[in-house]
Amino acid sequence: GIQVEQSPPDLILQEGANSTLRCNFSDSVNNLQWFHQNPWGQLINLFYIPSGTKQNGRLSATTVATERYSLLYISSSQTTDSGVYFCAVVFSGGYNKLIFGAGTRLAVHP
Amino acid sequence: ETGVTQTPRHLVMGMTNKKSLKCEQHLGHNAMYWYKQSAKKPLELMFVYNFKEQTENNSVPSRFSPECPNSSHLFLHLHTLQPEDSALYLCASSLRPQVNTEAFFGQGTRLTVV
Repeated sequence: GIQVEQSPPDLILQEGANSTLRCNFSDSVNNLQWFHQNPWGQLINLFYIPSGTKQNGRLSATTVATERYSLLYISSSQTTDSGVYFCAVVFSGGYNKLIFGAGTRLAVHP
Repeated sequence: ETGVTQTPRHLVMGMTNKKSLKCEQHLGHNAMYWYKQSAKKPLELMFVYNFKEQTENNSVPSRFSPECPNSSHLFLHLHTLQPEDSALYLCASSLRPQVNTEAFFGQGTRLTVV
């Protein structure tokens, strides 16, 4: 069936470390977004990246649509980066249906 | 502030109560969504509205009743809920009812059914 898989499920870092989060998806997509969910439940848009590479400060993302994966890079992590990171996709023919992965829970310790 | 506002932020209701969740977007978008986030489960799409018309009902029980009076407002009417319906309910919107537009989420309503 249609799947969005994120890895790792949990990640613990020391402040200042770098990390890579991965999102694999089972079929071709027309839309891919990365979100950060803060402790209050708010989903914050990080990247809208159905293909290619984007950077925003310490964060960058790359989607290789032909190989059905996306990567989120966090450099020089800070304690405020803690939370859950979600990848969400709209599969081709999925018409608005943004399907979420299970998320990666990140804890950054000082 | 994403431009999508949900009220209330927290709600506790009994199983026999009737309540409504409200979502309002100020982005000029034409598609609106309800998602449910239960503990230790991925976000689940519940309903999709495009230009006020419901285009998706993801097998949601009838005790959840959505309403979209215009492209800026979305409601979720709740009645005779069960404790397992306790969850974070998130509203989202996107510009066009097409597949390649970015979605923005509200802050969510944390619902507890007692």
